[in-house]
Amino acid sequence: KAGVTQTPRYLIKTRGQQVTLSCSPISGHRSVSWYQQTPGQGLQFLFEYFSETQRNKGNFPGRFSGRQFSNSRSEMNVSTLELGDSALYLCASSLGASGHTETQYFGPGTRLLVL
Amino acid sequence: DQQVKQNSPSLSVQEGRISILNCDYTNSMFDYFLWYKKYPAEGPTFLISISSIKDKNEDGRFTVFLNKSAKHLSLHIVPSQPGDSAVYFCAASGFNAGNNRKLIWGLGTSLAVNP
Repeated sequence: KAGVTQTPRYLIKTRGQQVTLSCSPISGHRSVSWYQQTPGQGLQFLFEYFSETQRNKGNFPGRFSGRQFSNSRSEMNVSTLELGDSALYLCASSLGASGHTETQYFGPGTRLLVL
Repeated sequence: DQQVKQNSPSLSVQEGRISILNCDYTNSMFDYFLWYKKYPAEGPTFLISISSIKDKNEDGRFTVFLNKSAKHLSLHIVPSQPGDSAVYFCAASGFNAGNNRKLIWGLGTSLAVNP
């Protein structure tokens, strides 16, 4: 089975711009979670989608949004980028039946640099 | 407020010896705990988990111990190998006020196993 894929792998944007990141989960997985990783804050949960619906949400401002398509692929969007949004954005997929007691499989991440 | 704490940002051990990584949590609602390993430029990979109804779970060289009264868990790696050098994340799962299961991550401990 192919693993979780994320595109693009690297991205450079400027303040005020917006960005869309994409995640393709493992085939058969219906849950996709997004995380932001920064050196000082570890892994911060953004949101989780299951069957095209947002099931869980972290404590991020409304500039961060996401969606999931019928094939379970997910996108996250960050509008009006700020310097502090520079981070590694990780996507994780799981079967989705029992939420976070399930094993999550992570993609390699998208490294975003905001200048 | 860090609900899951990994107080040692780094740890260095000799090959063949035991590595002990510690994790403390503050919220009694957590009922499932996971350890993930992360190599540079890769997403985290699942290592081992434990339910709150157990106090020990073993998988090969990896053993996780849970002390619920102390709200403490630890990961033991015996014997340690150079390939174990990575960042180890502790994560705790439980239901939030909205009855949704959430996963909270620690900041990670960087383990270096020296040959």
